[in-house]
Amino acid sequence: GAGVSQSPSNKVTEKGKDVELRCDPISGHTALYWYRQSLGQGLEFLIYFQGNSAPDKSGLPSDRFSAERTGGSVSTLTIQRTQQEDSAVYLCASSLGPPGNQPQHFGDGTRLSIL
Amino acid sequence: QKEVEQNSGPLSVPEGAIASLNCTYSDRGSQSFFWYRQYSGKSPELIMFIYSNGDKEDGRFTAQLNKASQYVSLLIRDSQPSDSATYLCAVYTGRRALTFGSGTRLQVQP
Repeated sequence: GAGVSQSPSNKVTEKGKDVELRCDPISGHTALYWYRQSLGQGLEFLIYFQGNSAPDKSGLPSDRFSAERTGGSVSTLTIQRTQQEDSAVYLCASSLGPPGNQPQHFGDGTRLSIL
Repeated sequence: QKEVEQNSGPLSVPEGAIASLNCTYSDRGSQSFFWYRQYSGKSPELIMFIYSNGDKEDGRFTAQLNKASQYVSLLIRDSQPSDSATYLCAVYTGRRALTFGSGTRLQVQP
């Protein structure tokens, strides 16, 4: 596609449920990133993929968070047993090459609300 | 000390003026620097990036990098009300993916 595509755009779920967020990067982009942004806050790095491997997953806040990428393309971020503090906008970005060499382009995000 | 620091603002400038946004970073090994603009409720969009000391110009925008002083700035000439947004500075240190500052909110008054 023309840009980074994320789905769903909005997700409301009850505390304790599992959620899956999807990211489809720009075609040909080898690097993919997940961030989250709480209301009025900056971007918090979660995980970075180069191809299908994750050289940097240092930002995942707990073991309830996991992510995978298959076929060097689509990525899924899974949050298990959601908590209210997980409420945020989850942003995905992709870049043509490794971080630092190429700028990252962002999707529109998934707004996650935990009731 | 935060890795990337920005004044949260708001920075208020009149229409037509030059807006100057500043960012300092702590890691001397930082290699590349990015400026993003984020409108309220929207995702960040890239404005420009800079790798080398000095100035880089793109239309009304100029990025300035001073590695010795560990700061990077963004100048917006002839500011327009449509430039009102939060501007995010991001730094690549080589240790991880980009580290973002918390952003500076710019308000351009008509």
